[in-house]
Amino acid sequence: GAGVSQSPSNKVTEKGKDVELRCDPISGHTALYWYRQSLGQGLEFLIYFQGNSAPDKSGLPSDRFSAERTGGSVSTLTIQRTQQEDSAVYLCASSLDRGGVNTQYFGPGTRLTVL
Amino acid sequence: TQLLEQSPQFLSIQEGENLTVYCNSSSVFSSLQWYRQEPGEGPVLLVTVVTGGEVKKLKRLTFQFGDARKDSSLHITAAQPGDTGLYLCAGAMYTNAGKSTFGDGTTLTVKP
Repeated sequence: GAGVSQSPSNKVTEKGKDVELRCDPISGHTALYWYRQSLGQGLEFLIYFQGNSAPDKSGLPSDRFSAERTGGSVSTLTIQRTQQEDSAVYLCASSLDRGGVNTQYFGPGTRLTVL
Repeated sequence: TQLLEQSPQFLSIQEGENLTVYCNSSSVFSSLQWYRQEPGEGPVLLVTVVTGGEVKKLKRLTFQFGDARKDSSLHITAAQPGDTGLYLCAGAMYTNAGKSTFGDGTTLTVKP
């Protein structure tokens, strides 16, 4: 499997519940990104990892959102006490982030629906 | 403040027509990427441009990076229904190359 994978592909949850979204980046990619996309819209940056550290968390909408990355590989985005406005597609991307050429490769996304 | 402005936001054309999508900024980018996204899928990389004035061709698609590395264009010749999708440009800046800025996208519909 050469590409970025995400799971689950779809998640339906009730308002107030917690959800975890998983991203497996391309092997060897040092940088990992989470974005959120509403229907027909562009990408909203959430958080960026370089290795296991997150130099930029500026896009996280509230303290209900958190993310971690372990072993320089898999990342988990957690949303606590979900709200209906959290419904969106959550996209993960990874890159080698080499010399200012930041070509990102995206996973298929997780479609989150909060009822 | 949107660092990358894409235009037009929506474009609907007939099969066989030509079109150009623009990506503009006041900032200088170390690299710029174009992606195409189809419904229900993640964005797929089309091209990366790095050098000012660079022109790259991918079949009927021609990409150009501005001389000052502040803008880019995507030109499609003889559009086909399979070109339908959301086109996104993304720029990485020298000062923060680990993070790219994305435009809001251009939704292209090519009618048969």
